[in-house]
Amino acid sequence: TQLLEQSPQFLSIQEGENLTVYCNSSSVFSSLQWYRQEPGEGPVLLVTVVTGGEVKKLKRLTFQFGDARKDSSLHITAAQPGDTGLYLCAGAGYGNKLVFGAGTILRVKS
Amino acid sequence: SQTIHQWPATLVQPVGSPLSLECTVEGTSNPNLYWYRQAAGRGLQLLFYSVGIGQISSEVPQNLSASRPQDRQFILSSKKLLLSDSGFYLCAWSWDSRANVLTFGAGSRLTVL
Repeated sequence: TQLLEQSPQFLSIQEGENLTVYCNSSSVFSSLQWYRQEPGEGPVLLVTVVTGGEVKKLKRLTFQFGDARKDSSLHITAAQPGDTGLYLCAGAGYGNKLVFGAGTILRVKS
Repeated sequence: SQTIHQWPATLVQPVGSPLSLECTVEGTSNPNLYWYRQAAGRGLQLLFYSVGIGQISSEVPQNLSASRPQDRQFILSSKKLLLSDSGFYLCAWSWDSRANVLTFGAGSRLTVL
């Protein structure tokens, strides 16, 4: 069974601080996606990374896929209250089914 | 553009009652359709997926079933709800079976009392 472990589970920071969320596995994934979800809504895709070592930037968010395609990270620079939400990583694994991590709840205080 | 609709948004049901959650997709043909359950705002557990009309794959043995009577309609059902069926149910679609980007509905919050 392929598993994705996300850390930390919960993060509460002040506006303007930087943070990093990690997504780790012992399995190789053909691609990895990051989603953001607000309470009472469905997750929304932020980015997909496909190539080992790939780095993608989305404004203040930087996503990296590990060289071995087993792990990924999400770095947010100068967090804002609007970044608050649940961040989920999901890997495309065996049978091309998505495996989701347990999520990281981010709270940015103003 | 493609849109996905899911209803009802909120449902409170007694133990032993039936369940029907419906999901429809507009603006595309032959989508792959998925039902996920999310507990306490955390990770998603895949329940069912479908690559075509009448084709349902179950990922987890449980008290629930799914059906796809039309190309863009996906229904999650139960004959008798259990307390453990409470949760946030999400429908999603993708272009093909290669676990491409999932687009999720707004979710259905089910509380079984």
